[in-house]
Amino acid sequence: QVKLVESGGGVVHPGGSLRLSCAASGFTFRSYGMHWVRQAPGKGLEWVTFIRYDGGNTYYADSVKGRFFISRDNSKNTLHLQMNSLRAEDTAVYFCAKEMMNYLTFDSWGQGTLVTVSS
Amino acid sequence: SYVLTQPPSVSVAPGQTARISCGADNIQSKAVHWYQQKPGQAPVLVVFDDDDRPAGIPERISGSNSGNTATLTISRVEAGDEADYYCQVWDTSGDHLYVFGTGTKVTVL
Repeated sequence: QVKLVESGGGVVHPGGSLRLSCAASGFTFRSYGMHWVRQAPGKGLEWVTFIRYDGGNTYYADSVKGRFFISRDNSKNTLHLQMNSLRAEDTAVYFCAKEMMNYLTFDSWGQGTLVTVSS
Repeated sequence: SYVLTQPPSVSVAPGQTARISCGADNIQSKAVHWYQQKPGQAPVLVVFDDDDRPAGIPERISGSNSGNTATLTISRVEAGDEADYYCQVWDTSGDHLYVFGTGTKVTVL
């Protein structure tokens, strides 16, 4: 079955950087678009970014544009999120999620990794 | 930007029916998807494309979409249905391509 496992979260100072990874298994990774979605403590879900199945197109929420960069390595079935110039408001659990084929939604999620931006 | 408005909370007795609304301008023109999220867990897709269910989701969970309101209906509510529920659409007009609703906490009395 589909399995998504995030890693790389932790505590970082404001202005710092962090790189998240998501290891995928149980499906043909290179055939699916992938997302990062985040959830601040006690808050709702916020879509962050998407990458096309082949890495050819990427999209970002305005709140992270120019600071976060999504990438993928289809040879290693891995998704990444490079987060730069981190702010306190970026504190959240970050989930990677698999795009549902033919539908603009997410049919599988990882368990999430917590990023805390604090001085 | 496109805003999806949900009631903050819904309370329902076991065995009764819970209805969770998701309101937005002309939402009927969009495909609405619904997620269930239990504390400390990842969201789970329970309804997609207004009224379809992924494999493994019970038939007592259903969705509808008309006018300015989409609705998630949970029939014969069980204690295990207690969770947060989010609606979601795809929209190109705002700063998020994938828009989530504000979320509804369902409490089973």
